[in-house]
Amino acid sequence: EAQVTQNPRYLITVTGKKLTVTCSQNMNHEYMSWYRQDPGLGLRQIYYSMNVEVTDKGDVPEGYKVSRKEKRNFPLILESPSPNQTSLYFCASGSTGVHEQYFGPGTRLTVT
Amino acid sequence: RKEVEQDPGPFNVPEGATVAFNCTYSNSASQSFFWYRQDCRKEPKLLMSVYSSGNEDGRFTAQLNRASQYISLLIRDSKLSDSATYLCVVNAKTSYDKVIFGPGTSLSVIP
Repeated sequence: EAQVTQNPRYLITVTGKKLTVTCSQNMNHEYMSWYRQDPGLGLRQIYYSMNVEVTDKGDVPEGYKVSRKEKRNFPLILESPSPNQTSLYFCASGSTGVHEQYFGPGTRLTVT
Repeated sequence: RKEVEQDPGPFNVPEGATVAFNCTYSNSASQSFFWYRQDCRKEPKLLMSVYSSGNEDGRFTAQLNRASQYISLLIRDSKLSDSATYLCVVNAKTSYDKVIFGPGTSLSVIP
């Protein structure tokens, strides 16, 4: 089954404790992206990657890191999480030129 | 001014009604436009792309007005299952590059 998977789905952590949210897709897509969704603000792009070893900042990259060492994986790293990073996070992938993005099920992160 | 704006609603309509959503964008260089649907607490899913000539998919019709910088989504004969949030999405370039999601419009179809 073609899909984008994210782990964990739910995470409660404390300020400053490094964490990684994994994202994996099995559709051989070149493009992958991370978004956060907050009430009243909608989906905002954090980082995206057009292909392996190519990443770029979206609208809200501060406090996040990403890497794209393999085509299928695009982890999101929070080196020192803060409460304002409490949000619902979505990973997405797509084929360059097609534009349809497939989203993972989301990761609900709470930072206390 | 936000780059992509939508009326947040909620739109509460009876089954069978026709409902229209508008979305405005500020970047005149925007080239690709989409409507996504998001059910409560679920991931967004592509509903349809929006082409310059307008396009239709069953009960759904999307239109683009480049001169006025807005896109629209028309839903005819609303079903209960159409209840969701509809997200307007704009890409600045022909490749993905910068992707901007609107805040979404909430639709509730009432029996």
